[in-house]
Amino acid sequence: DTEVTQTPKHLVMGMTNKKSLKCEQHMGHRAMYWYKQKAKKPPELMFVYSYEKLSINESVPSRFSPECPNSSLLNLHLHALQPEDSALYLCASSQLDRGIGTDYGYTFGSGTRLTVV
Amino acid sequence: KNEVEQSPQNLTAQEGEFITINCSYSVGISALHWLQQHPGGGIVSLFMLSSGKKKHGRLIATINIQEKHSSLHITASHPRDSAVYICAVKGTSQFYFGTGTSLTVIP
Repeated sequence: DTEVTQTPKHLVMGMTNKKSLKCEQHMGHRAMYWYKQKAKKPPELMFVYSYEKLSINESVPSRFSPECPNSSLLNLHLHALQPEDSALYLCASSQLDRGIGTDYGYTFGSGTRLTVV
Repeated sequence: KNEVEQSPQNLTAQEGEFITINCSYSVGISALHWLQQHPGGGIVSLFMLSSGKKKHGRLIATINIQEKHSSLHITASHPRDSAVYICAVKGTSQFYFGTGTSLTVIP
C-alpha cells in the first residue's frame, strides 16, 4: 500500500458543527502532516506529527485540533469554524531517518474539500 | 520574496509541444519535489530530486544544485497533462512551495 487515504472527500458543515477529517497510511511513515490549500494558492503547513508527537504547530487557531492516535492515523477535529476556513485540506506522510536526520518518501493524500456555511 | 519561484505562472500549449517549467530556490535543501495537482484534486508526487536528472515516461526533471535551479520537461504534451505543477523544496525543517504553474494543453 503506497497511498495516503483521506476521508471524507467532501464535507459541508455549519459554523456550530463539530466534525473530523481522517487520514490513514500503511507505509510505515513516521511523520504525518496537515496542510490547508486555498484556491490557486500553494499548500500551507498547519501541523506536523513525528513519531506520533506534535512537532510543529504553525500558529493554527484552536478551532482546528489535530490528533495522532497511532502511527497510521491522523485526525483533524473541527469545531466552530468560519466560512474563511473553507479550503482543501491535504494530509501527507513521509519516512523519517533519524540516522541521517532527514525524511523521504513524501506522499500526499487526495484531500478533503471542506465548505463551511 | 518567496523561497521558491516558478515560471511561467500560466502556460498554454498545443498538443504535442515540448514544455518546460522552471523553478529557482533560495534556501538550502535536502531534496526538491515536482508535484502535480489536477483541478479540485489532491497532489501527486512526480519526482523527488537531490541531484542530476530523472525520467519517467514523457516527464523529465533536472536539478542544478550549484545554481539552485530545477526544470520539469514534458515531451509530446497531451491534454491530460493539463494540471498545476508545483515545485517544492525540503529545507531543514519544512517544505517551501512554489506558487505553481497552471498548464493547459489544447488538442
